[in-house]
Amino acid sequence: DTGVSQDPRHKITKRGQNVTFRCDPISEHNRLYWYRQTLGQGPEFLTYFQNEAQLEKSRLLSDRFSAERPKGSFSTLEIQRTEQGDSAMYLCASSLKGRLETQYFGPGTRLLVL
Amino acid sequence: AQKVTQAQTEISVVEKEDVTLDCVYETRDTTYYLFWYKQPPSGELVFLIRRNSFDEQNEISGRYSWNFQKSTSSFNFTITASQVVDSAVYFCALSEARGAGNNRKLIWGLGTSLAVNP
Repeated sequence: DTGVSQDPRHKITKRGQNVTFRCDPISEHNRLYWYRQTLGQGPEFLTYFQNEAQLEKSRLLSDRFSAERPKGSFSTLEIQRTEQGDSAMYLCASSLKGRLETQYFGPGTRLLVL
Repeated sequence: AQKVTQAQTEISVVEKEDVTLDCVYETRDTTYYLFWYKQPPSGELVFLIRRNSFDEQNEISGRYSWNFQKSTSSFNFTITASQVVDSAVYFCALSEARGAGNNRKLIWGLGTSLAVNP
């Protein structure tokens, strides 16, 4: 089985630059989640897709953040005009809608904004 | 509001000791789901167990066991005969069917960092 993959694994950027992260979920999973995790904290929910529809966005997600899942498969998370406070681990998870739904996580993309 | 509390920030044990990680949750829903994940130093969150609110049976998987008690809103995790490879941060999480589209987002505790020393 292929698990959830994320690319890149690490990204260093300068403040003000745009960055884009990609997540490839487990192939039959119709739900996809993005979370953000900072040091010493648990993950925080950012946004959620069911198939290609983005159904919920956290208030944490400012206007500089946008996410897409154009064909209901892979997803991208873009951060425009990055700030130092955006430095974090960005985690993607996928799940299959159903009674025993469980989210499986990718390895994460660690972002450092200088 | 939903909340997960893991009161133990760090635990250090010697190999072969048993260790229990505590998790207390708050929710208004009658149907909810509880999870434990392991996060080793590599950073990837590894799913360990899921428990539904309507199923209070405790579970054992090898050296791992979980004690779910609705009366005290707790879902504790015990590692028996701990090993160095168990060293990681362990997260307890809660999900409900809330929000648009039946969003099952996870609400997380702060995690417990477990160090198992040889």
